[in-house]
Amino acid sequence: GAVVSQHPSRVICKSGTSVKIECRSLDFQATTMFWYRQFPKQSLMLMATSNEGSKATYEQGVEKDKFLINHASLTLSTLTVTSAHPEDSSFYICSATLSTNPWDTDTQYFGPGTRLTVL
Amino acid sequence: GEDVEQSLFLSVREGDSSVINCTYTDSSSTYLYWYKQEPGAGLQLLTYIFSNMDMKQDQRLTVLLNKKDKHLSLRIADTQTGDSAIYFCAEGSGYSSASKIIFGSGTRLSIRP
Repeated sequence: GAVVSQHPSRVICKSGTSVKIECRSLDFQATTMFWYRQFPKQSLMLMATSNEGSKATYEQGVEKDKFLINHASLTLSTLTVTSAHPEDSSFYICSATLSTNPWDTDTQYFGPGTRLTVL
Repeated sequence: GEDVEQSLFLSVREGDSSVINCTYTDSSSTYLYWYKQEPGAGLQLLTYIFSNMDMKQDQRLTVLLNKKDKHLSLRIADTQTGDSAIYFCAEGSGYSSASKIIFGSGTRLSIRP
């Protein structure tokens, strides 16, 4: 099956620094990638939808200048948390979809997540 | 706006059936999903149901959909210790996997011996 990887799996950084998280589709080309964040014991909240070669679409309340998303190729999307603060500490999960078939509902594959801790 | 709600905890005895319930508000939902998340891991799609279906069965999993009441349930037969996880109900109103999915808060399923 299709595999999505994320790197790093865990990162600890100092307040004020920037952190880049990579999301890769390993054996397929992802037309669309999604970025979510999950706080402890809470649900996934969609942050943005990213299409290859175009600007990401951010959900309401998500600061696009703070969470920079780049989807430069069909296999890679990156999320950069700029000037990170302790409140940005969270579990960030990406998902990728490969299909142009509108009836392929089970082709949104999730990465294993990246746990960010900002000190 | 769209909202998906589910109870936070469920405890069942090993070997019994688990039933996890979910309600949603978006009447235009096209697909409804159940995802499983094990500790520290990403999400695994368990099953999904199209909105014009009432039931879907897949081995130990049975999904029931009451579209009138906007109620979705997941039944896990013969619950095992490996079923311990958080189960997320989710709905999508688009017609493709590139459409946005809204997740519920997750139900933490614990198994007692």
